[in-house]
Amino acid sequence: DADVTQTPRNRITKTGKRIMLECSQTKGHDRMYWYRQDPGLGLRLIYYSFDVKDINKGEISDGYSVSRQAQAKFSLSLESAIPNQTALYFCATSDHGPKGRGYTFGSGTRLTVV
Amino acid sequence: TQLLEQSPQFLSIQEGENLTVYCNSSSVFSSLQWYRQEPGEGPVLLVTVVTGGEVKKLKRLTFQFGDARKDSSLHITAAQPGDTGLYLCAGDVFGNEKLTFGTGTRLTIIP
Repeated sequence: DADVTQTPRNRITKTGKRIMLECSQTKGHDRMYWYRQDPGLGLRLIYYSFDVKDINKGEISDGYSVSRQAQAKFSLSLESAIPNQTALYFCATSDHGPKGRGYTFGSGTRLTVV
Repeated sequence: TQLLEQSPQFLSIQEGENLTVYCNSSSVFSSLQWYRQEPGEGPVLLVTVVTGGEVKKLKRLTFQFGDARKDSSLHITAAQPGDTGLYLCAGDVFGNEKLTFGTGTRLTIIP
């Protein structure tokens, strides 16, 4: 099994619908992150959590919300999806800061909003 | 404004050639990482550098961190088709324990 599992892998949804992307990890890491990837823009941070009781906004949090249900689970919600939220979404984990062993990424969710 | 600039954006070379890709910033990194991403997958960590002037080697890949900790390079010797992918640099630019990613270099090695 993958260390970081994202579901679904692909999703097409209509404008205005609520959608949840889920992430679970078996790494035992405290820190979890949600990024989106767009061509030419790279990976941009949406939300991050350094432990179960800690939730922080990233650089592009508008239109998104998150829930850290447990150390191993971190979900991302789009309350009312819009077409410019079409992107590749990645969940990542780390056990401490960037000077350590780096981030472990999931395989991504390709989201299309029509 | 992109905090981390990677160049070139695209690179296509023949198998066996050497290449270098670059990652530059106007900010000082407390640490910098390189990742490789293949289609349909998430980025995978290649290396972390933390000391100015540091050089790390991973088989045919050589990573260098600039003395001022504002830039880094990745050099690949005798490129192989398996090196094809998107190479991303990422740095802790603000010293706030989070990574900021560059836009990436998409590398294609032609057999």
